[in-house]
Amino acid sequence: EPEVTQTPSHQVTQMGQEVILRCVPISNHLYFYWYRQILGQKVEFLVSFYNNEISEKSEIFDDQFSVERPDGSNFTLKIRSTKLEDSAMYFCASSRETDNSPLHFGNGTRLTVT
Amino acid sequence: AQKITQTQPGMFVQEKEAVTLDCTYDTSDPSYGLFWYKQPSSGEMIFLIYQGSYDQQNATEGRYSLNFQKARKSANLVISASQLGDSAMYFCAMREGVNTGNQFYFGTGTSLTVIP
Repeated sequence: EPEVTQTPSHQVTQMGQEVILRCVPISNHLYFYWYRQILGQKVEFLVSFYNNEISEKSEIFDDQFSVERPDGSNFTLKIRSTKLEDSAMYFCASSRETDNSPLHFGNGTRLTVT
Repeated sequence: AQKITQTQPGMFVQEKEAVTLDCTYDTSDPSYGLFWYKQPSSGEMIFLIYQGSYDQQNATEGRYSLNFQKARKSANLVISASQLGDSAMYFCAMREGVNTGNQFYFGTGTSLTVIP
């Protein structure tokens, strides 16, 4: 069964550094998302992406964040200057274009900012 | 107001018994979808079951069923014949509207522990 893949599984970075989290969504899916989950807390929406542009974003998704689909398969989340509070599990997800289509999640990237 | 409310931070159930995890939602949109996800301690998010706002019957998927009460805006997950492997966090989620690209709103989750 096709799945969403994310790399790396764990990233450690110093405060102020840039990180790029990578995702390969399921190939016939059209909608792509990033969510994050601070340890033990709720799953928070960051951004959704469709037709090569952002369709919706949350207040969390400020100017430090950006997304790209550079080559038709990868979907990346960049954090320009990481802060301690960016430490979280970041989930990429994708869905098909049907009403009952669930989000299919990747296994997540655990980002630790020191 | 919270879009999705899960009022049970933790639940315990005896193995082989049934358990109900509560979820209430808030929307004024007539078209929406409700989803349940399981998150084991390993961290991945696993889709379990879906209920559409216009569905007349409660959704079922194996041991999972959804008790959908539209007037009460509740979508409780029922797990029958609990197994030790059911121990995990369970998240209720909703997507509003007909735009299938809309974000999913998640509840705060319920931690289920199955006791042998």
